[in-house]
Amino acid sequence: GENVEQHPSTLSVQEGDSAVIKCTYSDSASNYFPWYKQELGKRPQLIIDIRSNVGEKKDQRIAVTLNKTAKHFSLHITETQPEDSAVYFCAASRIQGAQKLVFGQGTRLTINP
Amino acid sequence: EAEVAQSPRYKITEKSQAVAFWCDPISGHATLYWYRQILGQGPELLVQFQDESVVDDSQLPKDRFSAERLKGVDSTLKIQPAELGDSAMYLCASSPLGTGFMNTEAFFGQGTRLTVV
Repeated sequence: GENVEQHPSTLSVQEGDSAVIKCTYSDSASNYFPWYKQELGKRPQLIIDIRSNVGEKKDQRIAVTLNKTAKHFSLHITETQPEDSAVYFCAASRIQGAQKLVFGQGTRLTINP
Repeated sequence: EAEVAQSPRYKITEKSQAVAFWCDPISGHATLYWYRQILGQGPELLVQFQDESVVDDSQLPKDRFSAERLKGVDSTLKIQPAELGDSAMYLCASSPLGTGFMNTEAFFGQGTRLTVV
């Protein structure tokens, strides 16, 4: 089955700097890669996703890149702000089929003022 | 805005007791997931339903855990007997449709935090 590895487990950056979180997946049939943000005590919420027919997607300060050959994808946050502090999870799934959504272990991002 | 509803929010139970969690997905969502999230880790899929059918329960400890979605709408996850290692957040999520559909976003509920003492 699918296995998703996420790095780093913790990340601390200065406000205004960029943050990058990386994930690798094992199932070459996976074609849907969402990123979720979970603030303390709250539910995970989707922030951006990418499908395997594109290599990059951007939404304001957030971007995701996908390398299908290497089976890894990354989340990039630019101009970080204190409200970006949270735990971020990557996940992998297939759009067709049973759509099992497998998550990485999470990255705790701290933005230092 | 429609949300996935879960209850209770918090549950404390003694080991060997039975405990049950309830989830009401967003109306019209055919796919329902139950995840377990141990503190500091990512959500682990326990069971996935497509309408009333189980499509994946490979990680569900079936000797003590059971899940049902009888009418293809709301769902119940039960643990009997509870063990200390079951202490975790139990998250329910739903998404519109399962197979071959473009809108695959999963929406999460607030979760039930279980503490087994």
